[in-house]
Amino acid sequence: GENVEQHPSTLSVQEGDSAVIKCTYSDSASNYFPWYKQELGKGPQLIIDIRSNVGEKKDQRIAVTLNKTAKHFSLHITETQPEDSAVYFCAASISGNQFYFGTGTSLTVIP
Amino acid sequence: GAVVSQHPSWVICKSGTSVKIECRSLDFQATTMFWYRQFPKQSLMLMATSNEGSKATYEQGVEKDKFLINHASLTLSTLTVTSAHPEDSSFYICSASPAGSNYGYTFGSGTRLTVV
Repeated sequence: GENVEQHPSTLSVQEGDSAVIKCTYSDSASNYFPWYKQELGKGPQLIIDIRSNVGEKKDQRIAVTLNKTAKHFSLHITETQPEDSAVYFCAASISGNQFYFGTGTSLTVIP
Repeated sequence: GAVVSQHPSWVICKSGTSVKIECRSLDFQATTMFWYRQFPKQSLMLMATSNEGSKATYEQGVEKDKFLINHASLTLSTLTVTSAHPEDSSFYICSASPAGSNYGYTFGSGTRLTVV
């Protein structure tokens, strides 16, 4: 089955700096890659996603890149703010069926 | 947008008792819902896929007789933890997606279960 690895597990950045979280996947059939933000005691919230027919997608301060050949995708957050502090999960899926989640990255934005 | 409501948000129960958690799709119909379990500082682990009108599909290692899933309508799935033990204490989260939404799954707010 699919194996999703996520790095780093923890990340601290100064407010205003950029944060990058990377994930790799093993199943070349995976074609949908969402990113979720989870705040303490809450369920995950979808923040951005990308499909395998696209190499990059951007939504304001958040962007995701996908390299299908290398089987890795990354989340980029620019101009970080304290409210960006949370745990971020990547996931891989085949056509929106079973999702395989990464192990999470705890992001801390230092004011 | 699609909203998934989960109830209760937290529950404390005694060992040996059963606890029911509800997952509702508020503004859409969901033929499929997913139940996840999350331990502190760990990732989400899929427990089972809940299918409306049919039996749930459980992931390997998940006891179907312990974690009973019922998906009796297009807007409601329930997870019942039977004969709960302290090791069942965890954060349980459901997710669902409107039909034809092109994979946009929404997660519920989660249920913190503590078994004492």
